[in-house]
Amino acid sequence: AQTVTQSQPEMSVQEAETVTLSCTYDTSESDYYLFWYKQPPSRQMILVIRQEAYKQQNATENRFSVNFQKAAKSFSLKISDSQLGDAAMYFCAYRISGNTGNQFYFGTGTSLTVIP
Amino acid sequence: NAGVTQTPKFRILKIGQSMTLQCTQDMNHNYMYWYRQDPGMGLKLIYYSVGAGITDKGEVPNGYNVSRSTTEDFPLRLELAAPSQTSVYFCASREGRSRDFYGYTFGSGTRLTVV
Repeated sequence: AQTVTQSQPEMSVQEAETVTLSCTYDTSESDYYLFWYKQPPSRQMILVIRQEAYKQQNATENRFSVNFQKAAKSFSLKISDSQLGDAAMYFCAYRISGNTGNQFYFGTGTSLTVIP
Repeated sequence: NAGVTQTPKFRILKIGQSMTLQCTQDMNHNYMYWYRQDPGMGLKLIYYSVGAGITDKGEVPNGYNVSRSTTEDFPLRLELAAPSQTSVYFCASREGRSRDFYGYTFGSGTRLTVV
């Protein structure tokens, strides 16, 4: 079974500081994708960053970066220079690769508060 | 703007009533999905479709039905609403190319309350 675990239900960070959100996953597959989605109060799910499992280099998107440890099955999200607009629920997600309808498996989310 | 459109945004149903949640995408995506999000939980897959005329069950399909008569539309039907179906429902789509690295495009969600 594929599972995604986010062990931090809530996190807070001072504006302009750095915060890291944790995610671990369980899979027997070797080729898969990992994602972080942001869900603000508007409920819209917004893709933040994504990583292909076969790539060793960690993905980076502006202030967002990941620490992907394939052997440890860990995929943490680092937000640098936190802004008030970063406050949201963050979901880690996993999907097996391939041209199929393979679903995403989501973690239970981490609620991030940004303190002015 | 291109994207996934869900209607309605909010709905209150009485136990035993029926309704259809509408989902339309204008990106010509092959794959479409319905998820539900319960409070404090991640998203759970209800049904998905890999193309017009093809649908399949996800993790939590009981109490729901879907159809996919066109590429654009993927409605979700609740036949006999139950309080356990109180949730936020998300429709999502993706292109589905080979070596598809892309994430979903999500709709804005439908908050459904069954009383």
